[in-house]
Amino acid sequence: SQQGEEDPQALSIQEGENATMNCSYKTSINNLQWYRQNSGRGLVHLILIRSNEREKHSGRLRVTLDTSKKSSSLLITASRAADTASYFCATDSSGGFKTIFGAGTRLFVKA
Amino acid sequence: DSGVTQTPKHLITATGQRVTLRCSPRSGDLSVYWYQQSLDQGLQFLIQYYNGEERAKGNILERFSAQQFPDLHSELNLSSLELGDSALYFCASSPGTSGGRAETQYFGPGTRLLVL
Repeated sequence: SQQGEEDPQALSIQEGENATMNCSYKTSINNLQWYRQNSGRGLVHLILIRSNEREKHSGRLRVTLDTSKKSSSLLITASRAADTASYFCATDSSGGFKTIFGAGTRLFVKA
Repeated sequence: DSGVTQTPKHLITATGQRVTLRCSPRSGDLSVYWYQQSLDQGLQFLIQYYNGEERAKGNILERFSAQQFPDLHSELNLSSLELGDSALYFCASSPGTSGGRAETQYFGPGTRLLVL
């Protein structure tokens, strides 16, 4: 079974709205990462948050981490059509040497 | 452009055959990761190398093997191919400043393998 699982599986919003995606995981982690993938292309790293951090910002992205609930959320503010992609959370396991990706959230932003 | 290159971009082969996928990491990166992405299995971690040594193993089949060479490029060998091996295979690299522990990874464009 996967370490990280995203929710929802798919999300459709209008341009300008905010998009929130959630990730839950099962075991303790050193860090959690979010990646974006445009259809059929390689993943692009968005942000990394360490287990001792609670919130991190990067441009229009805001990531939170709640280690007590073993969950994280990714908020994209003022979404654009170009944000249409799949978003994955990734957690480390096996002492930090293995990266486990969730199934992803497919975000569709309508212009 | 992530700086990670993968060849070939596309590969079409028949069941039972063997193929080799090649990855060149970003300049200076010591860690290389291999992933398989299929429609029904999502993105599966296969294996990680750090400075030539295997560091972590995921859901890699015995028919698959990989290695990282002294110049840090890596190859993923897939043998006795089956229809179900059709997928996108990604290579990623990272600096390795954490001694091989999970850190920001930079993904290549992938190799799309089709087994007929």
